Amino acid sequence: EIVLTQSPATLSLSPGERATLSCRASQSVSSYLAWYQQKPGQAPRLLIYDASNRATGIPARFSGSGSGTDFTLTISSLEPEDFAVYYCQQRSYTFGQGTKLEIK
Amino acid sequence: EVQLVESGGGLVKPGGSLRLSCAASGFTFSSYSMNWVRQAPGKGLEWVSSISSSSSYIYYADSVKGRFTISRDNAKNSLYLQMNSLRAEDTAVYYCARETIFTYYFDYWGQGTLVTVSS
Repeated sequence: EIVLTQSPATLSLSPGERATLSCRASQSVSSYLAWYQQKPGQAPRLLIYDASNRATGIPARFSGSGSGTDFTLTISSLEPEDFAVYYCQQRSYTFGQGTKLEIK
Repeated sequence: EVQLVESGGGLVKPGGSLRLSCAASGFTFSSYSMNWVRQAPGKGLEWVSSISSSSSYIYYADSVKGRFTISRDNAKNSLYLQMNSLRAEDTAVYYCARETIFTYYFDYWGQGTLVTVSS
């Protein structure tokens, strides 16, 4: 079973700053990695698929990179609505444990 | 507009059973694989089960294998999850999610239904 490990568990930043979230797989998943955003009381929303492709309607400030075992989600300049929990997911469906992005 | 609406959650005693439903609309349901994903209170996302468009391929997480059964009725645009032998650790919000065709990621999600397993 492939395990996804996200870091950090919590990231404290201010609006306007750059956020870098990491997801590491226990074995290669090629580019088959997706990222989701979840706000309190809401269902998750697909942000990125296949490591670097933005889903429909996702702002350009969100970008994904990586392949193999190491992946990064970058938010170039944080907006107030970006503070949420972010999850990665690999092709065998399992999710990482999440990174909480909170306002500093 | 794509819509997924879960129902059937509630309070059940340990060892009991519950059947969740997900009503789909706004897309050709019979063309898509569908999934159940759960989230325990204050915890992360856990994939539960997947079913292909024609029900030919079905997969389960180890944590529910042998206890949960996923099914679908394409004529009714509905997805189901039969949950038996429920345990306290099955307490969670259960989401149904559409899997983008021939992929692994979920492009639409319902709002979820809460299942509480407690005596």
